[in-house]
Amino acid sequence: EDQVTQSPEALRLQEGESSSLNCSYTVSGLRGLFWYRQDPGKGPEFLFTLYSAGEEKEKERLKATLTKKESFLHITAPKPEDSATYLCAVQVSGGYQKVTFGIGTKLQVIP
Amino acid sequence: DAGVTQSPTHLIKTRGQHVTLRCSPISGHKSVSWYQQVLGQGPQFIFQYYEKEERGRGNFPDRFSARQFPNYSSELNVNALLLGDSALYLCASSPMGQGALNEQFFGPGTRLTVL
Repeated sequence: EDQVTQSPEALRLQEGESSSLNCSYTVSGLRGLFWYRQDPGKGPEFLFTLYSAGEEKEKERLKATLTKKESFLHITAPKPEDSATYLCAVQVSGGYQKVTFGIGTKLQVIP
Repeated sequence: DAGVTQSPTHLIKTRGQHVTLRCSPISGHKSVSWYQQVLGQGPQFIFQYYEKEERGRGNFPDRFSARQFPNYSSELNVNALLLGDSALYLCASSPMGQGALNEQFFGPGTRLTVL
C-alpha cells in the first residue's frame, strides 16, 4: 500500500530561522510528488510538482527537492505569513491517477 | 480566471439525513476529485471523475456516491449521515488526460457538521 510520511508533525520557527520539512514515501512506482500549502479552514494551494530524483523547484522562500525515497521542502528565512500546514502528496504510475496525501507539517513562524 | 468553486460553504445536518455537495471545476479542466479531510489529517481520496466517468474510488462506504455532469461540474452525495462524516469536503480539478500527471487545484471546501 502506498504510504506518505511527513515529519515533523509540527514545527515552530523564529522569523528568519531556516529549516526543512521532510516527506518520505513508499510507493510501487512514483509518477509525481506534489507539495501544497493549506491555511486553516481553506483548501490546499498548489506549490510544486517534482517528477524525478535530483529535481529541484523554487518559489520565493521555498525550495523543494526530490530523491528516490523522500522529498524536502526547504524554507529560507521564513516570515510569519509562511505559517501554514504543508502537505506532501504522491501519484503512482499506472492505473488511474490516484493521489495519496501525507498528514502534513504544521509550521508556525514567530515574529 | 475563476478557480474551483464549491457550495455550500458550511452545512449542518443531523444523523441519518442526506447531503449533496457541489463543485465547479476550473474552466477547461475535465477531471474532478473529491476528498474528505478530518481535522488534523491530510485529505483522504473519495472519488475521481474524468469525462463524466468514475475513474477511481477510495475506501469509503456505499453511502458515498458522486457524479459528473456534461459541463464537468460534480456532485458528492452522502446518505444516512453519521457523526464521523463531519469533515471538510474538498473538490479538486485537474486538466489531466489519460495517463497524465494529476496536478490538482482545490476549491475552498465545504465544512459539514453532523449533529
